[in-house]
Amino acid sequence: TQLLEQSPQFLSIQEGENLTVYCNSSSVFSSLQWYRQEPGEGPVLLVTVVTGGEVKKLKRLTFQFGDARKDSSLHITAAQPGDTGLYLCAGIGNFNKFYFGSGTKLNVKP
Amino acid sequence: DVKVTQSSRYLVKRTGEKVFLECVQDMDHENMFWYRQDPGLGLRLIYFSYDVKMKEKGDIPEGYSVSREKKERFSLILESASTNQTSMYLCASSSIGSNRGDYGYTFGSGTRLTVV
Repeated sequence: TQLLEQSPQFLSIQEGENLTVYCNSSSVFSSLQWYRQEPGEGPVLLVTVVTGGEVKKLKRLTFQFGDARKDSSLHITAAQPGDTGLYLCAGIGNFNKFYFGSGTKLNVKP
Repeated sequence: DVKVTQSSRYLVKRTGEKVFLECVQDMDHENMFWYRQDPGLGLRLIYFSYDVKMKEKGDIPEGYSVSREKKERFSLILESASTNQTSMYLCASSSIGSNRGDYGYTFGSGTRLTVV
């Protein structure tokens, strides 16, 4: 079982639609990161959220860290084909250990 | 542009062979990691290193070993490759920052290893 559960596992939408991806855990993390991985490449860091309740915006992407620092969400507004990829969340626990979710595979159709 | 470079994108090896996966980073990072990525299982940590000549077991070290003789280079060794080691292998590096949360990973592009 994964310490971090991501949902949905797969998402296929049309260009222009909005979507939200969730990352949930029963554990508390000191901070949480989101990565995007394009096919054939390694994951690339998008954002780090540190404070419970924190909201960060990166153009059309909005990241939120839960008040209790156990969960996070990623919302994409007006998705574009360039957003296609695997989205991974990573919780950072004690001793700076990283725990990765299994990812949400997003496909945005033109 | 800062980089983590993995020596091979694709490798095909035979069962029982000794396999070396090389990783080099140019960011002077202290920490280096080896993960494998399998569908539905996410990223699983094999080994990591906080300094030259130091190594620590991750969650799935069995069948693997590592070497870190220089700060910029971290090698993963499959002592005797088996078919269940067919996977995508990702190397990453990071630097422990002074503030919580500023130590994201920089990943390499991955090596897709097939053991036949």
